[in-house]
Amino acid sequence: QQQVKQSPQSLIVQKGGISIINCAYENTAFDYFPWYQQFPGKGPALLIAIRPDVSEKKEGRFTISFNKSAKQFSLHIMDSQPGDSATYFCAASRSGGADGLTFGKGTHLIIQP
Amino acid sequence: DSGVTQTPKHLITATGQRVTLRCSPRSGDLSVYWYQQSLDQGLQFLIQYYNGEERAKGNILERFSAQQFPDLHSELNLSSLELGDSALYFCASSVGRHTDTQYFGPGTRLTVL
Repeated sequence: QQQVKQSPQSLIVQKGGISIINCAYENTAFDYFPWYQQFPGKGPALLIAIRPDVSEKKEGRFTISFNKSAKQFSLHIMDSQPGDSATYFCAASRSGGADGLTFGKGTHLIIQP
Repeated sequence: DSGVTQTPKHLITATGQRVTLRCSPRSGDLSVYWYQQSLDQGLQFLIQYYNGEERAKGNILERFSAQQFPDLHSELNLSSLELGDSALYFCASSVGRHTDTQYFGPGTRLTVL
């Protein structure tokens, strides 16, 4: 049972464009939704995270949009740069839960110069 | 650099063998989490320790075990290794006992021949 579904599997965006990655979750007990960025040969690095009490959070060029009723959240990368080329993972967890992070399958993002 | 360290970086061994992976959390973090990353299963939570005590178990096989020592470093022991155990193993740490805001180490790549 895949509790967090991520799409697309891969994405190619032109430099300066907007990259959009979507995730949907099933467990309504989830209340913490982070995004991680992973470069080849490195560990996942926390990018930005959101809780259900807000519908949007922005940090620099990265924005999370959250739709609680639809059980969906998305990552928007504005003015995408070649250095943003990486694999992005959405995740979810329950605060106070004892399950660890549940990850999506990842999106391989390529920003073309 | 997340502040989480893992050794060794690479490990090559044979089927049936036993290996130990080591992780040192960020200074001040009391929780350590272990994750397995493989191409087919993605990133999967294995187990969490908080201040020396096991707190949560995920998809960890009975052949695998972990512990956290008084100095808070953790070890993941993998025994009776099979070809399918070949994967990247990540350690993450967080301040408290809950799942939020985890920082990942660089990982150990295990190859079972």
